[in-house]
Amino acid sequence: QVQLVESGGGVVQPGRSLRLSCAASGFTFSSYAMHWVRQAPGKGLEWVASISYDGNDKYYTDSVKGRFTITRDNSKDTLYLQMNSLRPEDTAIYYCAKDVMLWLVRNYFDSWGQGTLVTVSS
Amino acid sequence: DIQMTQSPSSLSASVGDRVTITCRASQGISKFLAWYQQKPGKVPKLLIYAASTLQSGVPSRFSGSGSGTDFTLTISTLQPEDVATYYCQKYNSAPTFGQGTKVEIK
Repeated sequence: QVQLVESGGGVVQPGRSLRLSCAASGFTFSSYAMHWVRQAPGKGLEWVASISYDGNDKYYTDSVKGRFTITRDNSKDTLYLQMNSLRPEDTAIYYCAKDVMLWLVRNYFDSWGQGTLVTVSS
Repeated sequence: DIQMTQSPSSLSASVGDRVTITCRASQGISKFLAWYQQKPGKVPKLLIYAASTLQSGVPSRFSGSGSGTDFTLTISTLQPEDVATYYCQKYNSAPTFGQGTKVEIK
């Protein structure tokens, strides 16, 4: 079955950087677009970034453009989110999520990881 | 940017009741709409996509309808295990979620 396991979260000071990872198994990782979605404590869901199956196309929500970078290593079945210039409002649980459709960026999600908590605080 | 607005923000209903949640898009999105269920302390689960197509394994008491700007999620007979927050999400372009509707048992 599909498994997505995030890691790399923690407490970081404003302005610093953090890299999240998402290890995938149970499906052909290299055939699916992947996404990061976050949820601030007690709040709703917010899409953060998407990447096509081959890594050639990337998309970001406006609030993270220029600060966050989504990448993937299909040889390692792993998704990444490099987060720079972190702000207190980036505090959230970060989920990686699998796209529903082979090859396409369909932009809705049929499998989610358990999430990793990022806290930005001085 | 297209905004997604859900109503109500929360509701309390009895076991066996019919429950309806509404999601409105600020511009037409055809049927590019999904619904998710997030139980307390759990990750979101895809319930419905293309506005009305039930994801595999989802109980048939859940249904979706609508197109364009107005959508509904209906639970025909509320069960205790349906206590959760429900989110709509558009996916015709950049994904955008509604703010969520919390469903509780009365």
